[in-house]
Amino acid sequence: DGGITQSPKYLFRKEGQNVTLSCEQNLNHDAMYWYRQDPGQGLRLIYYSQIVNDFQKGDIAEGYSVSREKKESFPLTVTSAQKNPTAFYLCASIPGAGGPYNEQFFGPGTRLTVL
Amino acid sequence: GESVGLHLPTLSVQEGDNSIINCAYSNSASDYFIWYKQESGKGPQFIIDIRSNMDKRQGQRVTVLLNKTVKHLSLQIAATQPGDSAVYFCADSKSGQNFVFGPGTRLSVLP
Repeated sequence: DGGITQSPKYLFRKEGQNVTLSCEQNLNHDAMYWYRQDPGQGLRLIYYSQIVNDFQKGDIAEGYSVSREKKESFPLTVTSAQKNPTAFYLCASIPGAGGPYNEQFFGPGTRLTVL
Repeated sequence: GESVGLHLPTLSVQEGDNSIINCAYSNSASDYFIWYKQESGKGPQFIIDIRSNMDKRQGQRVTVLLNKTVKHLSLQIAATQPGDSAVYFCADSKSGQNFVFGPGTRLSVLP
């Protein structure tokens, strides 16, 4: 089955620790995105990547880092510099980096809780 | 900044009735709009999309209406079922880039 997988589903972190959230897609999509979801708010863009080895900051990139070494993988690291990391994190992808009118396909999400 | 918003945070409907979920967007340059459904603890699922060259688009039991004059988008669900209970998001973009998502409307279907 083609799709986007995120792991783990639940993640607990102690203050001061870095954690990495995994996002993998086998859809052969060019562009991948990371969003953060908080209660009562719309999805907010953290980082996105349109091609391998290239990525751009979104609206709330501070305290996060990403890499895009492979087309199918776009891991997100939540660093200790992120002051309020407890949230639901969603990864998404679209077929073409420059193509218009492409819906975003979402993964199942990872819920991160800071203890 | 520009953002997509929703008029109602919650909506309760009787099973079998039609549901209408509304959305306002502020970016006049937006030309592509999507409705997503998100069940608790899961990722959003695509429901239907519409481009700005259309006013209406129908899917299976769902219809999206776009009024560009007042920058308003709505999702109509016919014969609402218990499985339709979820949070519904609208999102707008310019040519499928840089989507802006609304906070969502929670739809509750009453038996």
